Amino acid sequence: NAGVMQNPRHLVRRRGQEARLRCSPMKGHSHVYWYRQLPEEGLKFMVYLQKENIIDESGMPKERFSAEFPKEGPSILRIQQVVRGDSAAYFCASSPLRGRDYGYTFGSGTRLTVV
Amino acid sequence: TQLLEQSPQFLSIQEGENLTVYCNSSSVFSSLQWYRQEPGEGPVLLVTVVTGGEVKKLKRLTFQFGDARKDSSLHITAAQPGDTGLYLCAGATLNTGNQFYFGTGTSLTVIP
Repeated sequence: NAGVMQNPRHLVRRRGQEARLRCSPMKGHSHVYWYRQLPEEGLKFMVYLQKENIIDESGMPKERFSAEFPKEGPSILRIQQVVRGDSAAYFCASSPLRGRDYGYTFGSGTRLTVV
Repeated sequence: TQLLEQSPQFLSIQEGENLTVYCNSSSVFSSLQWYRQEPGEGPVLLVTVVTGGEVKKLKRLTFQFGDARKDSSLHITAAQPGDTGLYLCAGATLNTGNQFYFGTGTSLTVIP
């Protein structure tokens, strides 16, 4: 049983381009979370989704960032018009029930570099 | 300001030594978790604690949740090089909804 799968592992984008990060949760997990990790900083919550619903996006920047978790297919974190400050490791996690009570299973992350 | 403060930030010890790392906050947590993260990988859940005063053991690792549920510690006995990594605590409070706050971590290096 594969764990949480994220792709790509590494992504390089020029300023102004779009970045699309994909996350397939563990089988049987219907709760997905996205976190961002900047150098020398901890993991910062971005968004919590269930199938076809955004439950909590309080950690998402108001502009350029969006997330979805469609009925079929992976969860997508989309960053439009990337800037250098978007360079970070983006982690997806999943849980069978609410993660705050049961813990997350994390993917290996996508390392975004904006040049 | 960080909701969760971890100390020490860096720790380098010899194989076989014991160590304790700490996770402190002024907030009360409904649950607290410890993760270990290796370079280039995502965090891996080690333990979840939910009851004040709770102690959990995982082989050579002992986790304790403070009585007031504001702090936690992780004690490693007879550290091994395989214990090397970034140890992160993460907590959810009654007021943070779905947000899980992570500390900035303790980077542990165990020297053979």
